Amino acid sequence: DAGITQSPRHKVTETGTPVTLRCHQTENHRYMYWYRQDPGHGLRLIHYSYGVKDTDKGEVSDGYSVSRSKTEDFLLTLESATSSQTSVYFCAISESPLAGGPDTQYFGPGTRLTVL
Amino acid sequence: AQSVTQLGSHVSVSEGALVLLRCNYSSSVPPYLFWYVQYPNQGLQLLLKYTTGATLVKGINGFEAEFKKSETSFHLTKPSAHMSDAAEYFCAVSRGDFNKFYFGSGTKLNVKP
Repeated sequence: DAGITQSPRHKVTETGTPVTLRCHQTENHRYMYWYRQDPGHGLRLIHYSYGVKDTDKGEVSDGYSVSRSKTEDFLLTLESATSSQTSVYFCAISESPLAGGPDTQYFGPGTRLTVL
Repeated sequence: AQSVTQLGSHVSVSEGALVLLRCNYSSSVPPYLFWYVQYPNQGLQLLLKYTTGATLVKGINGFEAEFKKSETSFHLTKPSAHMSDAAEYFCAVSRGDFNKFYFGSGTKLNVKP
């Protein structure tokens, strides 16, 4: 299994509070991603990173920010959590795209976030 | 734009029966295609992938999928279902830009004894 950990694994918070989720990898992979998983929607990309300090928005980035100051860590921040951000959050990593196409993404165990 | 459609949010089969999970994609360029499996309360695990070459791809746990460009499909099959196959399955597509993936909404497979 790819060395990916997420913390915390479970969190309950209140509307309006800031929340930071952490993804840590030991694989030295260049690319890192944050997804949210909601019933009926599959996984949707929130933000991704293609190197230290290099990040960009995904399809559902409103209300989220990210930071990557080290290769191994990718942080997802909800500045002011809302109930619509109740979800399961997954981090994924991959190496650079291969000559023949994209590389596999490897997923962490997920963080279940509940916003009351 | 990329989109992935998985027909059937729930599929139920008997143990020993054929498993067929459908995935269709829309893409203006040749895509790269993946199937992942998710067991309860776990992350996603790669089953198989198609990037280039042979269009029939074999994966783990006896699963395989065939890329059919003319039908824009990448259906997942397994000849004989096992109880341990009960899980949620996700199809994903990528064009390779920043290695971004676009996932379907998932299909939950139930295997009856």
